[in-house]
Amino acid sequence: RKEVEQDPGPFNVPEGATVAFNCTYSNSASQSFFWYRQDCRKEPKLLMSVYSSGNEDGRFTAQLNRASQYISLLIRDSKLSDSATYLCVVYGQNFVFGPGTRLSVLP
Amino acid sequence: EAGVTQFPSHSVIEKGQTVTLRCDPISGHDNLYWYRRVMGKEIKFLLHFVKESKQDESGMPNNRFLAERTGGTYSTLKVQPAELEDSGVYFCASSQVHLDGGQPNEQYFGPGTRLTVT
Repeated sequence: RKEVEQDPGPFNVPEGATVAFNCTYSNSASQSFFWYRQDCRKEPKLLMSVYSSGNEDGRFTAQLNRASQYISLLIRDSKLSDSATYLCVVYGQNFVFGPGTRLSVLP
Repeated sequence: EAGVTQFPSHSVIEKGQTVTLRCDPISGHDNLYWYRRVMGKEIKFLLHFVKESKQDESGMPNNRFLAERTGGTYSTLKVQPAELEDSGVYFCASSQVHLDGGQPNEQYFGPGTRLTVT
């Protein structure tokens, strides 16, 4: 079993749609959690950290459930520019990346 | 402020040759990380420097890989001799000191070096 697993995707959604990504991790000792986005053939960039109480940044909402070892990312009112691969990243002893879920927002 | 830079952007070498990748982190960032993405797989951690010291090298695949960070500034990752399975994109990232309690600070990634071993 992989340490970090994500929805396989791809997700193809129309502009304005709400889309949710799921991520699970196996190491219960993990301490910190992040969502990164990676555009095609580019480097990953931090989208947001995920806090225990959940957090929101504009159209993006992240949730963490430590008991279920589950992380989610919700994107509301999706834009064409949101098209990218979304990476779930978990930090315990070091950073562990999930395989990513690709999102295509269609006009 | 300049971001993380990596050199070269692409490298094509033959099996058995040696390649050295370079990473220049953001000035003042003590933490420097190397990662690798093999085609079709997730990004994998290779190692972590704090200044010039190797904090964690548990992700290094084998002894054909050697990373250094002399003086705690730029870092090099040498692959000698290269094998076909070493092909992939090698990313470097840097961050400021960890936050209180050991929580990591935001990592900034370089553009990566695409290595092809033929």
